Amino acid sequence: RKEVEQDPGPFNVPEGATVAFNCTYSNSASQSFFWYRQDCRKEPKLLMSVYSSGNEDGRFTAQLNRASQYISLLIRDSKLSDSATYLCVVRGDSSYKLIFGSGTRLLVRP
Amino acid sequence: DGGITQSPKYLFRKEGQNVTLSCEQNLNHDAMYWYRQDPGQGLRLIYYSQIVNDFQKGDIAEGYSVSREKKESFPLTVTSAQKNPTAFYLCASNYPGQSPTGELFFGEGSRLTVL
Repeated sequence: RKEVEQDPGPFNVPEGATVAFNCTYSNSASQSFFWYRQDCRKEPKLLMSVYSSGNEDGRFTAQLNRASQYISLLIRDSKLSDSATYLCVVRGDSSYKLIFGSGTRLLVRP
Repeated sequence: DGGITQSPKYLFRKEGQNVTLSCEQNLNHDAMYWYRQDPGQGLRLIYYSQIVNDFQKGDIAEGYSVSREKKESFPLTVTSAQKNPTAFYLCASNYPGQSPTGELFFGEGSRLTVL
């Protein structure tokens, strides 16, 4: 079983749609969780950290469910510019080791 | 502007040749990392370094070597022992003690193709 698993997609949605991604992790001792965004053939960039209480940044909402060991990302009112791959990232046992999921690809169409 | 610079951006190599990828940062970060990304896959950690003159193997270190002689620099050598070196290589850095430890700052990547 992979340490961090994501649905690879692609999720193909119209502009304005709401879309949600889930990510599961295997290490119950994981402490920190993040969503990164990666555009095609570019480097990943931090989208948002995920806090236990859930957090929101504009159209983006991240949730953490420790009991079920999954995190989610909700995007409301999708824009064409949201088209990218979204990487779920979990900090493992070592503070230096971040484990990346393989990413979920989102395509927003006009 | 502060950031991470990787070079070259594209590199072609013949089988059996070693190649060195450069990574320089002026963010004054203590920790630096090398990741490899293959199509449709997540990033896999090759090596990381917490301080100068110290580095640790990641999950896929075989066939790679690194050095950390200066805080700003963390070059990666892909040796001929690496069986499948064609990939996208990403260098990153951060303050390991920042809370929550997580935000990595990435370079733009080096795309290596073995002919």
